[in-house]
Formats: sequence, C-alpha cells, structure tokens
Amino acid sequence: DVKVTQSSRYLVKRTGEKVFLECVQDMDHENMFWYRQDPGLGLRLIYFSYDVKMKEKGDIPEGYSVSREKKERFSLILESASTNQTSMYLCASRQSGRKYEQYFGPGTRLTVT
Amino acid sequence: AQSVAQPEDQVNVAEGNPLTVKCTYSVSGNPYLFWYVQYPNRGLQFLLKYITGDNLVKGSYGFEAEFNKSQTSFHLKKPSALVSDSALYFCAVRAVQSGAGSYQLTFGKGTKLSVIP
Repeated sequence: DVKVTQSSRYLVKRTGEKVFLECVQDMDHENMFWYRQDPGLGLRLIYFSYDVKMKEKGDIPEGYSVSREKKERFSLILESASTNQTSMYLCASRQSGRKYEQYFGPGTRLTVT
Repeated sequence: AQSVAQPEDQVNVAEGNPLTVKCTYSVSGNPYLFWYVQYPNRGLQFLLKYITGDNLVKGSYGFEAEFNKSQTSFHLKKPSALVSDSALYFCAVRAVQSGAGSYQLTFGKGTKLSVIP
C-alpha cells in the first residue's frame, strides 16, 4: 500500500513565524502536491512538483513556498505565518501519468495565533 | 478551465436505503473522474475512478459511480447505505489532454453524507 506521511497532525504557531510542513511518500512517486482544505471551499492546490527539484504554482501559492530536494520528500514553507493561513494542509503523491489517482497523507491542522 | 460541481452540501439517508451523491463536471475534451472519501480528521481516501470503457465503475466499500457523458455527470451510488459510510465525499476531474494544468486534479467542494440508523 502507498503510504504518505506528514510530520505533524496538529501544529500551533504564532503570527510571523516561519513554518515547515513535511511530507514523505514511500512509493517512488514522481508527482507530489500540497493542498489546503477549508470548510465550504473544498481542496485548493497550493503547489505541486512533477519531479525532484521541479515545482509549479497551483491556484493559491501566495504566502507559501516549497522544496523538493529528494524524490520522496516535499516540504511546504510558510515564510511568515499569518492567521488566514490557519487551515488543514493535505499532501498527496501519485505516479506520473494523468490517469493515476493521488494518494493523500493524514493532514496537518495548522493554527496560527 | 476545468471545474466540478457537487450541488448538495449534505445528503441524509436512512441505513439500508440506496444513496446517491451527485457530481457534474466541466472540462475540455474527455475527462478522468475520481471519487474520494474523507472520514473525520483524516486525509482523503481514493474510492474509484473513471478512465475509459464501461460507464459503470465499481470501487471500494461497495460504492459505484456512473459516467454520463451527455449529462457531464459522475454520480456516486451505493445500493444499501451503512452508518459507517457517513463521511465527506469529494468528486474530482482531470482533463485527458495534455496542456496547461494537466497535472492538476480539480475537486468539488464536497458533500457530507449522513446515514441515519
């Protein structure tokens, strides 16, 4: 089975802090994704990476950056956390090829105070 | 641009009754379609997908979905609902053709299913 893990289930940070969310997958997937999930808005794509060291902006990249130095790991960085970044963050990975489904991690619920 | 609509924020159904969760999509050309389920405080779990072929797709936990090209719909169904099916359900679409956004999977806003004992 595909396993996608995220470094924290719950995280509380202060406004202005730099925040790192880590995601690791164990299936040698080429593509990895970061979403945020908010009530009534569904899932919105922040960034994705189709291969190591490659990244592309999604629908809502402002205030975020990403890093993918190794194939199995995809990090989401909040350079200066703000209260409007309080959300559930979901990481996903999939095999390259548009017909393949994405596999999701358990999510990190981030609260910025 | 591709989009997905889930017209019902919430669906209530009695245990043992059939359930349907609706999804319509908009995409250029042919679609790949997916259903995911999310249990409380969990990530999304893949249920089933339509790629090509038979319009009726069977997936995990007894769920199935019917692809209707003329109505651009991909409704999720189950013949007999269980209380344990209560969760948040997401429909998603990706265009078959390559091009801008071809990596992206566009999700609907989700439908909360409540199965009443």
